[in-house]
Amino acid sequence: DMKVTQMPRYLIKRMGENVLLECGQDMSHETMYWYRQDPGLGLQLIYISYDVDSNSEGDIPKGYRVSRKKREHFSLILDSAKTNQTSVYFCASSLQGPEVFFGKGTRLTVV
Amino acid sequence: GDSVTQTEGPVTVSESESLIINCTYSATSIAYPNLFWYVRYPGEGLQLLLKVITAGQKGSSRGFEATYNKETTSFHLQKASVQESDSAVYYCALGGNNAGAKLTFGGGTRLTVRP
Repeated sequence: DMKVTQMPRYLIKRMGENVLLECGQDMSHETMYWYRQDPGLGLQLIYISYDVDSNSEGDIPKGYRVSRKKREHFSLILDSAKTNQTSVYFCASSLQGPEVFFGKGTRLTVV
Repeated sequence: GDSVTQTEGPVTVSESESLIINCTYSATSIAYPNLFWYVRYPGEGLQLLLKVITAGQKGSSRGFEATYNKETTSFHLQKASVQESDSAVYYCALGGNNAGAKLTFGGGTRLTVRP
């Protein structure tokens, strides 16, 4: 069963705390992504990873960093979370071509 | 840069009515963009609904269809008769045809189908 799994699904953090969002996929996909989705703005690309330790900034990387030490895992890290980082975060992966598989999302609230 | 504009929601229709969600795109960095419709049902992640990679072609799935019109730079989503189970958020997107290509999404359209 091909899937992208995100943990946790819901998270509340205080401003200034560190946040770790985890993502795993069982399809051996090389490429993985982190997007955030805000009302009316669609999904915006934060980072893209082409394989282990091969990461590139997306359109809105500021305030985020990523880690990919194994092909099946891709983490998004917020060092010192800010209230404007409250959003729904989606992880995704793809093998060949542009078809992308998405996780169910993590709803992060920073208070 | 690339951009996608789609019908602002929310959209509410009654069951068995027809539906059209408009989508227009601008692809400045991609010579031959691929076009997609993704759907997000409540509590689920985004799922690919349909894709078209060649201009002039039509894609269809689950009763939905969309035609890739290069002249009008449009990719409108249509369904002749909606069902309550079609209630979801729909996203139009464009991307390149290479592995690892980035997707550019529209803002999403929330559809509610009244029984």
